[in-house]
Amino acid sequence: GENVEQHPSTLSVQEGDSAVIKCTYSDSASNYFPWYKQELGKRPQLIIDIRSNVGEKKDQRIAVTLNKTAKHFSLHITETQPEDSAVYFCAKGGTGFQKLVFGTGTRLLVSP
Amino acid sequence: SQTIHQWPATLVQPVGSPLSLECTVEGTSNPNLYWYRQAAGRGLQLLFYSVGIGQISSEVPQNLSASRPQDRQFILSSKKLLLSDSGFYLCAWSRLGGTGELFFGEGSRLTVL
Repeated sequence: GENVEQHPSTLSVQEGDSAVIKCTYSDSASNYFPWYKQELGKRPQLIIDIRSNVGEKKDQRIAVTLNKTAKHFSLHITETQPEDSAVYFCAKGGTGFQKLVFGTGTRLLVSP
Repeated sequence: SQTIHQWPATLVQPVGSPLSLECTVEGTSNPNLYWYRQAAGRGLQLLFYSVGIGQISSEVPQNLSASRPQDRQFILSSKKLLLSDSGFYLCAWSRLGGTGELFFGEGSRLTVL
């Protein structure tokens, strides 16, 4: 129940296309699902997160959806731009103390 | 504002040598502190976390140890490095009772030869 499966491991899109990254988990205790972006040579930074009492959250070109019944959540990036190129990590955490378990990452490449 | 400092940024060490990576958080009190290791294709693996001075929890059995001698200081150590200890080590903190967001340090790249 600890792991988070993340797919795909790499994703190449043309500028302007949409990109979708999906993560699945198996435990019932997790209720916090953040997404982090790590640009080359830099530290991971939170870009969006969602809690289990919400099914969808949007912030400009990025959105996250959560299906708690099916135990999966996804990151959606619309109108992709070259600066969106990075490694994206999903993660899950439970109530109280935040001990996040991360997915294995998706390398997104947006070609101009 | 809060900041996190982690050093050294890069380190090349021979097998069997000791290790000390240090992390300091400024601008907050009683942070939760974490050490993660990032290996290619394996994402971010939690190594240790701490909810207070002297309180260390280990997530995976390994050749490393952690200590928290002060509220905002977190140290990752090894007495004898192995080749498999090579990787990118990230310190992070989160607010006690906060939203859950992790704030990462800039990372330390360790190469064991």
